[in-house]
Amino acid sequence: GQNIDQPTEMTATEGAIVQINCTYQTSGFNGLFWYQQHAGEAPTFLSYNVLDGLEEKGRFSSFLSRSKGYSYLLLKELQMKDSASYLCAVRDQDYQLIWGAGTKLIIKP
Amino acid sequence: IAGITQAPTSQILAAGRRMTLRCTQDMRHNAMYWYRQDLGLGLRLIHYSNTAGTTGKGEVPDGYSVSRANTDDFPLTLASAVPSQTSVYFCASSDSGGGRGLDTQYFGPGTRLTVL
Repeated sequence: GQNIDQPTEMTATEGAIVQINCTYQTSGFNGLFWYQQHAGEAPTFLSYNVLDGLEEKGRFSSFLSRSKGYSYLLLKELQMKDSASYLCAVRDQDYQLIWGAGTKLIIKP
Repeated sequence: IAGITQAPTSQILAAGRRMTLRCTQDMRHNAMYWYRQDLGLGLRLIHYSNTAGTTGKGEVPDGYSVSRANTDDFPLTLASAVPSQTSVYFCASSDSGGGRGLDTQYFGPGTRLTVL
């Protein structure tokens, strides 16, 4: 079966750095996405990785290792507005997105 | 720019009733999707459409049907609602369909459906 694993919940302090991990086992691989979802709202796109390595976009970076079936989302200089769930999704061999359950990130002052 | 709209925002429905959730996008995207999101589970694909006139089944299609008569609209119908269909339903769209390239999915605001 296909599986995406993420921690259920993480807590971090405002101004700090947090790394959210995602491991996956899927039928094929055609890219990995990270989305942010605030409570009661729709998911919004954050990043996309299809090749190994680090993609940086402002305070957010995403890393991919295809050989290890592993990705992480790195959030720097955390702000209270970063409190949200972060969803990892992998596009499989049929080009369908397989979604993890999401990691709820709690930011404390 | 509206993006994707969904209606209704929320609904309480008696079991056995028929219900259609509406989804409209104004981005001229080829592909559209319906997901359900339940607590503790990832988004699960119900049905999708890579282009107007075509539809496909996702991971959890039973009890749901869709149609894609034109590019903009992608309604989801529950023929006879059951309590297990209580969920938050998200409609999404993407440019190319079939997932080539980045093909980011953009989501509507969701419909919260409760079936009693």
